[in-house]
Amino acid sequence: SAVISQKPSRDICQRGTSLTIQCQVDSQVTMMFWYRQQPGQSLTLIATANQGSEATYESGFVIDKFPISRPNLTFSTLTVSNMSPEDSSIYLCSVRAGGTDTQYFGPGTRLTVL
Amino acid sequence: EDKVVQSPLSLVVHEGDTVTLNCSYEVTNFRSLLWYKQEKKAPTFLFMLTSSGIEKKSGRLSSILDKKELFSILNITATQTGDSAVYLCAVTGGDDMRNKVIFGPGTSLSVIP
Repeated sequence: SAVISQKPSRDICQRGTSLTIQCQVDSQVTMMFWYRQQPGQSLTLIATANQGSEATYESGFVIDKFPISRPNLTFSTLTVSNMSPEDSSIYLCSVRAGGTDTQYFGPGTRLTVL
Repeated sequence: EDKVVQSPLSLVVHEGDTVTLNCSYEVTNFRSLLWYKQEKKAPTFLFMLTSSGIEKKSGRLSSILDKKELFSILNITATQTGDSAVYLCAVTGGDDMRNKVIFGPGTSLSVIP
């Protein structure tokens, strides 16, 4: 399994501001995934971040709102831009174990937007 | 449309009880079914199932997949308060090469002393 860390673990932000969440993995991985979990809801995939190429966004998520960086094989960032209270969620990054479908998750970032 | 349905959505049991959590799915080009336990923020991996009829077991937890009927169950025997969590079922599949992962809504389990 992979060891994944995320920063910050939680934050409270004002409407209209932006927050960048960092995800660090202890091994090199091809794909990193960013999920959102709104209160009382299940996980929804935002985008897949591939090193050296543009992130691939799922339906309903756009790059202007959730820009992603993937500068190397162990690190990625997700920015939540121009935040509104509807962006209050837990944001999770994950990676897939090599050669399998098993995904391992970081500890998550709990975001509250006032 | 690809989807994962879990039942029940919530469950309250007493310590020592046995529980069965259900997961049914519809996904194009099914690859695998995964169970996760989510206590605070991060889901922790429990099982991955790819073949019908083969039980996966870890301590008091076990799971089995039926690919013909498109469902899986997660059993927890002799429940403990530490089993209280949301249990998520997810399936992988999809037409594209990204191997889409679809999560169900989760079953919230509360084990009371």
